[in-house]
Amino acid sequence: DIVMTQSPFSLAVSEGEMVTINCKSSQSLLSSGNQKNYLAWYQQKPGQSPKLLIYYASTRQSGVPDRFIGSGSGTDFTLTISDVQAEDLADYYCLQHYSYPLTFGSGTKLEIK
Amino acid sequence: QVQLTESGPGLVHPSETLSLTCTVSGFSLTGYSVYWVRQPSGKGLEWMGRMRYNGDTSYNSALKSRLSISRDTSKNQVFLKMNSLQTDDTGTYYCTRDNVAPFAYWGQGTLVTVSS
Repeated sequence: DIVMTQSPFSLAVSEGEMVTINCKSSQSLLSSGNQKNYLAWYQQKPGQSPKLLIYYASTRQSGVPDRFIGSGSGTDFTLTISDVQAEDLADYYCLQHYSYPLTFGSGTKLEIK
Repeated sequence: QVQLTESGPGLVHPSETLSLTCTVSGFSLTGYSVYWVRQPSGKGLEWMGRMRYNGDTSYNSALKSRLSISRDTSKNQVFLKMNSLQTDDTGTYYCTRDNVAPFAYWGQGTLVTVSS
């Protein structure tokens, strides 16, 4: 199974600041066939179901604000949230969908100061 | 529009079997795969298994011995059965569907409590 190591466990920032969440996979998520990285990011607000933010490591889901940016390749990935808003208070998870079983990172809790 | 709705008993006693239903609308089960994901209370997300569009299934190896996923395409329903429940199976169970990306659509989740 591919192990997803996500960091940090939590972070607290003020509105307008930038945050970076990291996800490292135990093996490469880059497909040699189509050069796509099979890594997705999800946001889960309190009391809600998760919501897809980013897929193929850097493709933003329709309707997701452009302050959410995904980057990285191979085994190292980053979700950057620029100009954090109060509404971004949530847990964030990475997911590898390169191979089964699909595996999530352990999550990052974003708090707003 | 695409909708998924989970339903289930809410409370299950230890050692008993959990039965959940995911009722979908806005798409056909023969065109898309449906997945089950769970979230133990206060913890992270865990992929449990999937019902592929062609009727094949695959399971998380950690749960495989206890888990079964089936479907009734005529009723637009996918079923999850998991036996030998324990207290650490308590949590919210979601069904979800992919689009281009995995887990693009989610149900609202159903809370399952394992308690005597």
